Amino acid sequence: DTAVSQTPKYLVTQMGNDKSIKCEQNLGHDTMYWYKQDSKKFLKIMFSYNNKELIINETVPNRFSPKSPDKAHLNLHINSLELGDSAVYFCASSPWEDTEAFFGQGTRLTVV
Amino acid sequence: RKEVEQDPGPFNVPEGATVAFNCTYSNSASQSFFWYRQDCRKEPKLLMSVYSSGNEDGRFTAQLNRASQYISLLIRDSKLSDSATYLCQSGGSYIPTFGRGTSLIVHP
Repeated sequence: DTAVSQTPKYLVTQMGNDKSIKCEQNLGHDTMYWYKQDSKKFLKIMFSYNNKELIINETVPNRFSPKSPDKAHLNLHINSLELGDSAVYFCASSPWEDTEAFFGQGTRLTVV
Repeated sequence: RKEVEQDPGPFNVPEGATVAFNCTYSNSASQSFFWYRQDCRKEPKLLMSVYSSGNEDGRFTAQLNRASQYISLLIRDSKLSDSATYLCQSGGSYIPTFGRGTSLIVHP
C-alpha cells in the first residue's frame, strides 16, 4: 500500500548513457513533482505537473524529459548522463497546489 | 526564485534539552507552511503543518510569524530519536519550496 513509489532505488551508470526513473502515486493526488537533492542536501524542484500537464520546468537541462501518461504517474528520462547528474532524485505528490508533499523513497543516481 | 532559508546547523544538544529552529521565507504570498523530518538516506516525511494560530503536537510546536516572514519549530524534551534533518517548506503556485534543512544531533 505504498503511497508514492519510485523505481529503481539505486542506479549506477556510465557517463553518456540514457536512463529512466519511474514514479507512481496511489493517493489520488492531482499534482506531482520531481526534486533533485544534491550532496549538500538541498531539495531543488525540477518539474511540477498538475493533472498530467507540465506546470513548472525549473531551468533544468533539456536532457531531462518528464512524462506523465496519467495523473498517477510521472516518469523522468535522462539522456546523455553527466557526472554532475549524480544525486538523489525524489518524486513527490500533493493533493493540489499549496499543500504538503508526499515523497517517494528516492532514487540514488551515481554516474561514473 | 522565492527562497526559503534555514540555518544548516548542526544543532548538537543533550537529551532532554529544548531546541528551536527558525526558517525565513521570501514569498509573502505563501499561504501554507510545513515542517518535515528527513533521516539519513531517507525521504522527507511530513512532521507537522504550520497554522497562523500555531500548532502543537506532543513535544513539537510550530509557529508562524507573517510580519517577519518566518516559521519556527520548537522541540521540547529532546530524544535521541529526534536526531535528523528538519526541513521547512512554503507552498504556493505549484512550487513547494524547501529550505536546505537544519541538522539536529541529540546526544546522551
